[in-house]
Amino acid sequence: NAGVTQTPKFQVLKTGQSMTLQCAQDMNHEYMSWYRQDPGMGLRLIHYSVGAGITDQGEVPNGYNVSRSTTEDFPLRLLSAAPSQTSVYFCASTQMGRVLLAPLHFGNGTRLTVT
Amino acid sequence: AQTVTQSQPEMSVQEAETVTLSCTYDTSENNYYLFWYKQPPSRQMILVIRQEAYKQQNATENRFSVNFQKAAKSFSLKISDSQLGDTAMYFCAFMKHEGGNQFYFGTGTSLTVIP
Repeated sequence: NAGVTQTPKFQVLKTGQSMTLQCAQDMNHEYMSWYRQDPGMGLRLIHYSVGAGITDQGEVPNGYNVSRSTTEDFPLRLLSAAPSQTSVYFCASTQMGRVLLAPLHFGNGTRLTVT
Repeated sequence: AQTVTQSQPEMSVQEAETVTLSCTYDTSENNYYLFWYKQPPSRQMILVIRQEAYKQQNATENRFSVNFQKAAKSFSLKISDSQLGDTAMYFCAFMKHEGGNQFYFGTGTSLTVIP
């Protein structure tokens, strides 16, 4: 099983550039989410989705867009990168029934640097 | 909103000794899940142990066990017979059982096992 696959592993952007972080899972998980990890701040939720066609904002959504056209994929878009978006980004997924069926399964992360 | 607090940014332990990592949380919910995740230098997020709030018995997974005090809203992780491979960042996390669509993470504790 591939689990949750994130690409790329590393990325350097210049301020103002745009890019998409890819996330795919092969576990048929309804729930997918994006986190950013910053020193001293733990993991903060950016956006999440409870199924294809449904997305919602988390704690720190500004500067990021998401879409969920399929169950498998949940890309994260940075429209105009800023140095404050330098971080490590994690995609995570889990099953859903009536409620979330824990635990979260994580990808290996993307280290993004914005200069 | 739920908050998760890890008050120990860094800890160290001698190999083969026992160490306890602290976690407290704030919630008005009665049913919820609690987790400990491990993040080694490889950056991968690995589930260590989980606890359902309705279960009074503390969860155990081999050398890892928790002390779950629901009234005190405390969820500490005990690592027995510490090994060098336990060196990692440890995150405590909370998830509501009903209507839960977000995981809330603490800021992490960096554990170093000293040979």
